[in-house]
Amino acid sequence: AQSVTQLDSHVSVSEGTPVLLRCNYSSSYSPSLFWYVQHPNKGLQLLLKYTSAATLVKGINGFEAEFKKSETSFHLTKPSAHMSDAAEYFCVVSDRGYGGATNKLIFGTGTLLAVQP
Amino acid sequence: DSGVTQTPKHLITATGQRVTLRCSPRSGDLSVYWYQQSLDQGLQFLIQYYNGEERAKGNILERFSAQQFPDLHSELNLSSLELGDSALYFCASSVHPRRGTSTDTQYFGPGTRLTVL
Repeated sequence: AQSVTQLDSHVSVSEGTPVLLRCNYSSSYSPSLFWYVQHPNKGLQLLLKYTSAATLVKGINGFEAEFKKSETSFHLTKPSAHMSDAAEYFCVVSDRGYGGATNKLIFGTGTLLAVQP
Repeated sequence: DSGVTQTPKHLITATGQRVTLRCSPRSGDLSVYWYQQSLDQGLQFLIQYYNGEERAKGNILERFSAQQFPDLHSELNLSSLELGDSALYFCASSVHPRRGTSTDTQYFGPGTRLTVL
């Protein structure tokens, strides 16, 4: 079964400092992994996705994530945090189901990122 | 703006009632997914439709049902509502889940916030 574990429920950084949000995955086949962001009272926005083309994935707003098979990790990073980055971030794995007929998403529990001025 | 629309934005109702949530997918997308976001369960996959047919089922209660119409819009019906059904319900759409290939990206609507009193 596919699953993801987000290792931190809350992360607090100062504006201008690096961001690291950690995610480990479990998958019985080569996974498709995503990071989504949810701003307060808003919907879910795709930040980036990994689908085996390249291990370092660049997303929107300066975020990137590196797929490390040996560590079963897909951590999200950003070199310099901005106040507008304050939001909840979800690590997500796709479950293709039997025969690849679906690609329902399995969400982690979320990491709430706070950015201090 | 993801191109996925959901109505209504907010819904307040009483226990025992029935409600219908509506979703219009992005133009050209054949698959529609429903997810529930609650404080205690997090984000969970409920059900997927592809071109009018049910494709996958998740943790969807028997009191809940969904359908996808010929114009590809979808409705999620929730009946005999309980306090615990209060949640944010998201719809997402993608082109289609292609067997044996990388995962299509799912684009999320803004959600319908259901409050059961």
